[in-house]
Amino acid sequence: ELKVEQNPLFLSMQEGKNYTIYCNYSTTSDRLYWYRQDPGKSLESLFVLLSNGAVKQEGRLMASLDTKARLSTLHITAAVHDLSATYFCAVDTGANSKLTFGKGITLSVRP
Amino acid sequence: EAQVTQNPRYLITVTGKKLTVTCSQNMNHEYMSWYRQDPGLGLRQIYYSMNVEVTDKGDVPEGYKVSRKEKRNFPLILESPSPNQTSLYFCASSRIGAGEKLFFGSGTQLSVL
Repeated sequence: ELKVEQNPLFLSMQEGKNYTIYCNYSTTSDRLYWYRQDPGKSLESLFVLLSNGAVKQEGRLMASLDTKARLSTLHITAAVHDLSATYFCAVDTGANSKLTFGKGITLSVRP
Repeated sequence: EAQVTQNPRYLITVTGKKLTVTCSQNMNHEYMSWYRQDPGLGLRQIYYSMNVEVTDKGDVPEGYKVSRKEKRNFPLILESPSPNQTSLYFCASSRIGAGEKLFFGSGTQLSVL
């Protein structure tokens, strides 16, 4: 059974500082997705990573995938309040397009 | 506008009273799926569908039914709701293929008393 683990589950960030959050998974896959959820809202796609070494960047967020280590990282540069949200990673093993989600990491940016 | 539409947004019901949560997408997506989100548990897949008349169980299908009679619609049916089905439900759709991201509906907050 595929397990997707995210840590930490909650992270309080200081404005202007850099942080990295992690997503690791238990079975072979080269398809990993990051989603963002604002409080009380739906999920929005952030990144799609489809191969070992894939790196995607948008604004202050950069996601990467290491399929050998079964690990994805989401790096936050100079955190700002707008980044406060819950971030989910999800892994696709290729079986019927099924995504398995992690439990999510809630980020809170303080002044 | 491309979207996944779920209704209702909020629903309070009582144990045993059948209910249906509707989901419709206007992007001609083949794949549709239902998830439930519970605090501390993340999103768990209930059922999914790869195309019309093709449905399959996800990780937590007990107590739920779905149907896919038309490509755009994928209703979630609770024949006899119980309090442990109180949750936030999301419908999602996508094309089928590597890298095709899921589009999510706005969610349905269900409370079963």
